[in-house]
Amino acid sequence: AQSVAQPEDQVNVAEGNPLTVKCTYSVSGNPYLFWYVQYPNRGLQFLLKYITGDNLVKGSYGFEAEFNKSQTSFHLKKPSALVSDSALYFCAVRDVYNNNDMRFGAGTRLTVKP
Amino acid sequence: DTGVSQNPRHKITKRGQNVTFRCDPISEHNRLYWYRQTLGQGPEFLTYFQNEAQLEKSRLLSDRFSAERPKGSFSTLEIQRTEQGDSAMYLCASSQQGETGELFFGEGSRLTVL
Repeated sequence: AQSVAQPEDQVNVAEGNPLTVKCTYSVSGNPYLFWYVQYPNRGLQFLLKYITGDNLVKGSYGFEAEFNKSQTSFHLKKPSALVSDSALYFCAVRDVYNNNDMRFGAGTRLTVKP
Repeated sequence: DTGVSQNPRHKITKRGQNVTFRCDPISEHNRLYWYRQTLGQGPEFLTYFQNEAQLEKSRLLSDRFSAERPKGSFSTLEIQRTEQGDSAMYLCASSQQGETGELFFGEGSRLTVL
């Protein structure tokens, strides 16, 4: 069965600094990987996904993520953090052999301080 | 806005009562998902529909839970004989057919069981 792990419950960065939110995955076949963001009392919003092709994926709000097959990772990055980026971030995986459901990590709370 | 709509947004009930949540997906989306999210956790998969067919159910979905999507459009999630442990945010999401599609989430229905 597929799963994802987000090793950090909390990430704190200063505004203007680069940020990284980590995600590792485990699937039996090729992974389809996703990042979502959740603001307080809101549903999840899609940021970006990796399906195939270029390992560096660009998404909404200046975010990007790098797929690394050898390290089974899909870390979310942004070159310059904004205070408005403060939110809960979820990594998710769908296994091509079990593609009915999407499995989510426990989430990482990102706080960007001015 | 023609996004995913969930009602009610918040339900407070006494233990032992039945509750029903409704989800209206994006109209052209074939797939509809229900997830449960508790505080500090990522969404947990409950069940999934493709059109009107319920194709997968999680072991989390006890006999007290039932979901329907009678005409392949809106869906309902009913919880019978609610327990305090059912208190959570119930999220609905929809997507286009295909394993590469991202999920579009509603804002959730928060259940509080007293």
